[in-house]
Amino acid sequence: GAVVSQHPSRVICKSGTSVKIECRSLDFQATTMFWYRQFPKQSLMLMATSNEGSKATYEQGVEKDKFLINHASLTLSTLTVTSAHPEDSSFYICSARAGLGVGNTIYFGEGSWLTVV
Amino acid sequence: KNEVEQSPQNLTAQEGEFITINCSYSVGISALHWLQQHPGGGIVSLFMLSSGKKKHGRLIATINIQEKHSSLHITASHPRDSAVYICAVGRWRAQKLVFGQGTRLTINP
Repeated sequence: GAVVSQHPSRVICKSGTSVKIECRSLDFQATTMFWYRQFPKQSLMLMATSNEGSKATYEQGVEKDKFLINHASLTLSTLTVTSAHPEDSSFYICSARAGLGVGNTIYFGEGSWLTVV
Repeated sequence: KNEVEQSPQNLTAQEGEFITINCSYSVGISALHWLQQHPGGGIVSLFMLSSGKKKHGRLIATINIQEKHSSLHITASHPRDSAVYICAVGRWRAQKLVFGQGTRLTINP
C-alpha cells in the first residue's frame, strides 16, 4: 500500500542551528502535502499546505521565514526549521494526498521528534 | 464550539470489550477520516468514509451524513488497540483536514 516516509525520526540540534525534515511519498505522486506540529497530549496543528511547484500556504500564526517548506517534486516535501530554539522542540508530522481530488486518501508519515538544546 | 467533536476524550476498558468512539461535525464534508496514533507518534489512517459503513478486521466505521455523525467500533478489544483515535473531516472542496481532539483508549489485559 501507499507509504509516506519521514526522515529523520528523531533529531537533536543546537539552539540557533537549522534542521531539515524530509517527507517522501514512496509509491504514489503527492501533489499536496501537509505539515503538522503536535505538542504532548494535544491535537495535530496544521502548519502549512505544500503544493508541488508552488509556494506553501501557511496557517495563521506560523512564521514563513522560520519554517521553510519546499515541495520541489511530486514525491518530496521538506520542512526546514531555521534558527531553532528550544520552544521549537516538538513532534512534526507530514501527510500526503494521493492524487488531485480532495476526496482522495491522505497518508501520514511516521513523524519526527525535534529536540532543540 | 469545535467543528469536530469527539467523545469520550478518554476511555479505559478491559480486554475483549466492545468499544465505541463517537465523532460529530458541524460542517459540510467530502470525507471523514479515522486515524490511529500510537504512543511513538506515528499515525495510521484506518478509514476514509463518505457514506455508509466500512469494516477492516475488528474495526468498523459508520457515518450518517444527515446527522453529521460517525462512530468507530472495535470488537474484541485487545491491549494493542491502546492508542489515540482521531476523527478528521475534509471540508467540502477544501484541501485540509479539521481534526477532533482525539480519544485516548486504554485496553487493560
